[in-house]
Amino acid sequence: QPQVQESGPGLVKPSETLTLTCTVSGGSISDENYFWGWIRQPPGKGPEWIANIYYTGSTKYNPSLESRVTLSGDTSKNQFFLTVNSVTAADTAVYYCARVTYYYDSRGYRVVFPFDIWGQGTMVTVSS
Amino acid sequence: DIQMTQSPSLLSASVGDRVTITCRASQSISTWLAWYQQKPGKAPKVLIYKASNLEGGVPSRFSGSGSGTEFTLTISSLQPDDFATYYCQHYSSYSFTFGPGTKVDVK
Repeated sequence: QPQVQESGPGLVKPSETLTLTCTVSGGSISDENYFWGWIRQPPGKGPEWIANIYYTGSTKYNPSLESRVTLSGDTSKNQFFLTVNSVTAADTAVYYCARVTYYYDSRGYRVVFPFDIWGQGTMVTVSS
Repeated sequence: DIQMTQSPSLLSASVGDRVTITCRASQSISTWLAWYQQKPGKAPKVLIYKASNLEGGVPSRFSGSGSGTEFTLTISSLQPDDFATYYCQHYSSYSFTFGPGTKVDVK
């Protein structure tokens, strides 16, 4: 069973840049049957989708975060990365990486499934 | 952007109760809707996809229905392991939007 694991600094100062890593095992981020995403969940609140990265390396961002977020991948290490610029207290959250499975149906349409494999999450606190 | 709402936000129930949670989308999303269960300190776990399809390994007491803008998650007979928070989610190739959640606690 594939697994994903988040890692990051835990504590970041306001206005600094946050970088998180998701390491995929038991599967490949280059596999064209999947794409990969980041989701965050502030304390006591619901999850918020941040961004996806596709096997081609292309990305898609939540419009509400797009100006401060960058997603990239390293296929040689089977990892993908989330960078959040100019963090504030509002960025304090548990950050999860997760996998999406998809396929193309007989008409050539992409059929997508929800996030099926999640990491355990990594807590990030923004504080001076 | 599509917005998701859920009701109620808190549901108090007893073991054996039939429980229904409603999710509404701000515009039609066909059946591109999932339901997740989340317990404290854990990642969300998908229960239902494409509005009514049970994810593998999920007990059959969970069911989903709906299309367009209104959806429901039903637990036919609440079990002790089901006390948790439930989220609906619209998903597509390029965006994912979660609802605010419904916490199911002990009555």
